[in-house]
Amino acid sequence: QKEVEQNSGPLSVPEGAIASLNCTYSDRVSQSFFWYRQYSGKSPELIMSIYSNGDKEDGRFTAQLNKASQYVSLLIRDSQPSDSATYLCAVNILRPLWGNYQLIWGAGTKLIIKP
Amino acid sequence: DGGITQSPKYLFRKEGQNVTLSCEQNLNHDAMYWYRQDPGQGLRLIYYSQIVNDFQKGDIAEGYSVSREKKESFPLTVTSAQKNPTAFYLCASSPRDRRTNEKLFFGSGTQLSVL
Repeated sequence: QKEVEQNSGPLSVPEGAIASLNCTYSDRVSQSFFWYRQYSGKSPELIMSIYSNGDKEDGRFTAQLNKASQYVSLLIRDSQPSDSATYLCAVNILRPLWGNYQLIWGAGTKLIIKP
Repeated sequence: DGGITQSPKYLFRKEGQNVTLSCEQNLNHDAMYWYRQDPGQGLRLIYYSQIVNDFQKGDIAEGYSVSREKKESFPLTVTSAQKNPTAFYLCASSPRDRRTNEKLFFGSGTQLSVL
């Protein structure tokens, strides 16, 4: 089982609709969760971080965290063609041998917004 | 402007050759990281450094080497021992603060290919 799992997609969503991206993780004690957006050939950019159970909203983006189910999601409202990108989920996972946390990345979900 | 500069953008390696990827930051961040990204996969940690003159191996350090002689600079050498070096290489940095050090700032990346 991978430590952080995402559906690779592509996920195709009509313009103006809600895009829903999902991520599951294996480490029950993880405390920090991140969503990065990556355009083709470019570097990832942070769009949302979430640390507590529940929803966190920032503009058209909402991150949802459920630690009991080990599940984090990203909702994009009023999807625009410019939202077409790969969305990477990253989770801080404890590394006992290192004595600290390491950021572990999912493989990403490719999102396509159809005009 | 503060940021992270990676160079070159594209790099070609001949068999048996060592090549060095440059990473410079002027964000005054203590921590720096090197990641490798292959198509359809998440980012994998090669090396990281939390402070000048100290660095640690990540999950896939074999065939790579780094140095951290200055706070601003964290070059990565891909040695001839790395038999499959073709990938997109990303350098990142973060503040050392325990709460905020998880937010990564990325350079624009280097695409390395084998001739």
